[in-house]
Amino acid sequence: GESVGLHLPTLSVQEGDNSIINCAYSNSASDYFIWYKQESGKGPQFIIDIRSNMDKRQGQRVTVLLNKTVKHLSLQIAATQPGDSAVYFCAENMGYSGAGSYQLTFGKGTKLSVIP
Amino acid sequence: DSGVTQTPKHLITATGQRVTLRCSPRSGDLSVYWYQQSLDQGLQFLIQYYNGEERAKGNILERFSAQQFPDLHSELNLSSLELGDSALYFCASSPRTGPGGNTGELFFGEGSRLTVL
Repeated sequence: GESVGLHLPTLSVQEGDNSIINCAYSNSASDYFIWYKQESGKGPQFIIDIRSNMDKRQGQRVTVLLNKTVKHLSLQIAATQPGDSAVYFCAENMGYSGAGSYQLTFGKGTKLSVIP
Repeated sequence: DSGVTQTPKHLITATGQRVTLRCSPRSGDLSVYWYQQSLDQGLQFLIQYYNGEERAKGNILERFSAQQFPDLHSELNLSSLELGDSALYFCASSPRTGPGGNTGELFFGEGSRLTVL
C-alpha cells in the first residue's frame, strides 16, 4: 500500500489492548470535530464526530473526548484489532459555508500499528 | 466503497504539463471537495463546490483550478506542473442536509496519485 506520511507519530499497541490517539487543534472557535481513519491505499473514512457543546461521545468501540480548555481531542479505541491498523486524523471545522458544507482542517495524523 | 469515483488512479507526467483529475460524487451529494495529500503537508483542503458554485477556497495554487458541472461531477485542473505537485489528490462529497442536522462526514474517493517527473 501507499504510505501517507513518513514522519507521522506512531502508536504501537498489542491486539486486545485499548488505544488512545491524541490531537491538539488550533482554533478555539472551532465548533465541530471529526476523526477519520485512513487505511493504506484508501481515502479517509469517517469514524466519529463531536460538537463543541459536548465533551464525550461514544460509538461502537470508539470514544471521542474533547477538552476545549486545552484544545485537545482524543480518540479511544477499545479492544484494538488488527483491522484498526491505519492512520488516524482529527479534523476541525474551520468554517460553515451553508447548506451542508464544511471546511475541515485535518491534523497531521497518527499511525496506529496493532501487534497481533 | 464510499460511492465516490476518481479517475485516473495513477498519473505520471512531466514538469510543465497539465493534467485533469475527475471526480464523480455519491449519488445525490451536491457538495464536492478537493484535498491534496503529500508526505510533508498531510491533507490540505483545496476547494469546495456546491451545486455547481464555488463555495470555499483553501490552499489552492493559482496554477490549479476546478469546476463542478451540471451533472455534479467535478474536475481539478493542474497546470504548469512542478515536482512538488506530486501527491495524492482526493475528492470527497457530502450529503445535502439542512442547518441543525448536519454531519460533517465527508465521503472520500480512493484518490488520484500524481507523479511529476
